[in-house]
Amino acid sequence: AQKITQTQPGMFVQEKEAVTLDCTYDTSDQSYGLFWYKQPSSGEMIFLIYQGSYDEQNATEGRYSLNFQKARKSANLVISASQLGDSAMYFCAMREPYSGAGSYQLTFGKGTKLSVIP
Amino acid sequence: NAGVTQTPKFQVLKTGQSMTLQCAQDMNHNSMYWYRQDPGMGLRLIYYSASEGTTDKGEVPNGYNVSRLNKREFSLRLESAAPSQTSVYFCASNEQGVTEAFFGQGTRLTVV
Repeated sequence: AQKITQTQPGMFVQEKEAVTLDCTYDTSDQSYGLFWYKQPSSGEMIFLIYQGSYDEQNATEGRYSLNFQKARKSANLVISASQLGDSAMYFCAMREPYSGAGSYQLTFGKGTKLSVIP
Repeated sequence: NAGVTQTPKFQVLKTGQSMTLQCAQDMNHNSMYWYRQDPGMGLRLIYYSASEGTTDKGEVPNGYNVSRLNKREFSLRLESAAPSQTSVYFCASNEQGVTEAFFGQGTRLTVV
């Protein structure tokens, strides 16, 4: 069963506007974490933001914020004041509980392609 | 400030050939991982290593072997490449217990 669902294959946003990228997840664990990664056309994976399941406040990192709604099992990424350089694939991922001395498996969604329009 | 380094960046193999993808990290991380990314998909875990000398299977381990040579290096070997293994391969590492995983720049492998 798919554990991470990103329902928006592609999104468009006007430069300087805010955009929300959706992510829902499925887990029966109490301890887990949610990540967002950015993958530009050059291909590298860039860490954006992390939210732990026990964190009470929504995570923020500069223009990125994570809208974490635990009861709804959603972890949407909000990008404020979009820039042309934000055009990329965005992946939501969930960390399984830690195993083996601090290692963990990341389960990724299929991604959302964001295009920022000038 | 290298982080996670993968070699090679690109490779074309013929069906049945073997090759090893190399990964090294200079951040003294205990845990290392190999993922593959297929078109239209997110990354899927192939193998991981929690510490030097240990390895475990991930979601899609068939057709691959790994070696954790030392704390820095974690290699992925394809013994007999198949077209289904055409993919982009990412190596990653993380500090024990810390959340963020750092990724290498990826290896684009084509099997013809």
